[in-house]
Amino acid sequence: KAGVTQTPRYLIKTRGQQVTLSCSPISGHRSVSWYQQTPGQGLQFLFEYFSETQRNKGNFPGRFSGRQFSNSRSEMNVSTLELGDSALYLCASSLQGVNEKLFFGSGTQLSVL
Amino acid sequence: DQQVKQNSPSLSVQEGRISILNCDYTNSMFDYFLWYKKYPAEGPTFLISISSIKDKNEDGRFTVFLNKSAKHLSLHIVPSQPGDSAVYFCAARNSGGGADGLTFGKGTHLIIQP
Repeated sequence: KAGVTQTPRYLIKTRGQQVTLSCSPISGHRSVSWYQQTPGQGLQFLFEYFSETQRNKGNFPGRFSGRQFSNSRSEMNVSTLELGDSALYLCASSLQGVNEKLFFGSGTQLSVL
Repeated sequence: DQQVKQNSPSLSVQEGRISILNCDYTNSMFDYFLWYKKYPAEGPTFLISISSIKDKNEDGRFTVFLNKSAKHLSLHIVPSQPGDSAVYFCAARNSGGGADGLTFGKGTHLIIQP
């Protein structure tokens, strides 16, 4: 079975721009969640999608949004980028939900200049 | 306020010895705990987990101990091998639900010295 695939691997943007990250979960997994990893904060939960609906949301501003498609693929969007948004964005999938064992992708490293 | 704390940012252990990674939590509603391992440029991979109804879970060289009264868990790796050098994240969940997903610690960078 293929693992969780995230694209692109690396991204460089400037302040004020927006960005869209993509995640393809493991086949059969219906839950996709997103995490932000920064050196000082560890992994922080952004949100979870299940069957095309946002089911859980972490404590991030509204500039961070996402969606899930009928094939369970998910996208995450960050608008009006700030320097502090520079981070590794990790997508994880699971069969049923965010509180299960998660399978992570390799992440998208976003640098905001 | 951090609900899952890994107070050692890094740990250096000689190959063949025991590595002990510690994790403390503050939320008494957490009832399931997981350890993830992460290599550079890769996503975290699941290592081992433990339910709050147990105090020990073992899988090969890896053992996780849970002390609920102290709200403390530890991961033991015996014997430590060079390939164990990685960042280890402790994570916790509240099975009763909640919008926080898995709550992760900030990680401990384990370095195995030859």
